[in-house]
Amino acid sequence: QVQLVESGGGVVQPGRSLRLSCAASGFTFRSYAMHWVRQAPGKGLEWVAVISNDGSNKHQADSVKGRFTISRDNSKKTVYLQMNRLRAEDTALYYCARTDDDYWYFDLWGRGILVTVSA
Amino acid sequence: QLVLTQSPSASASLGASVKLTCTLRSGHSDYAIAWHQLHTAKGPRFLMKVNSDGSHSKGDGIPDRFSGSSSGTERYLIISRLQPEDEADYYCQTWGVGIVVVFGRGTKLTVL
Repeated sequence: QVQLVESGGGVVQPGRSLRLSCAASGFTFRSYAMHWVRQAPGKGLEWVAVISNDGSNKHQADSVKGRFTISRDNSKKTVYLQMNRLRAEDTALYYCARTDDDYWYFDLWGRGILVTVSA
Repeated sequence: QLVLTQSPSASASLGASVKLTCTLRSGHSDYAIAWHQLHTAKGPRFLMKVNSDGSHSKGDGIPDRFSGSSSGTERYLIISRLQPEDEADYYCQTWGVGIVVVFGRGTKLTVL
């Protein structure tokens, strides 16, 4: 079954860290770029970060640059999002999604995982 | 600057058709976009990619009721024979080198 499954969310205090995981199955993981996208409560979709199929290229949104790091392990078919120095405004549903490595139109999404940053 | 503009809301009757619009900023008329459907409590679902020439390629399992087209800087999602399950938020999305990924603000579709 072709799917992406996120895990690792929860409630965390401001300033602390959290690591999200996204496990892929049913397709050739190493052929795709992988992204994280989030949706804050009552807001629209916001792109967070991307990593190329071989992990050699990464980009992040300005809102998370210097705090969030994306990585992947192709042997485990998993992409990660390390989130440090979390802020209340990082509270959101976090989705992982895949794209072609060259053309970034999302064609597969996970169901999402909730991250709540609160004291 | 790469910007996608969507109307915040749309509505149509059960069984009718609706056309949602995503407008690219002037100067970006050659960009393709993707349409995604987002139900509350479900993950987003890729519907289709719409090219500047109006051709489109749909995701797996997307019903024939869903189609796409283009005109100038506008990209359309047309849903025919509306069903209750079509009530959702619809987002358009594109990307650009050095610009990374851009989403529209979404259109909330109500099926009356």
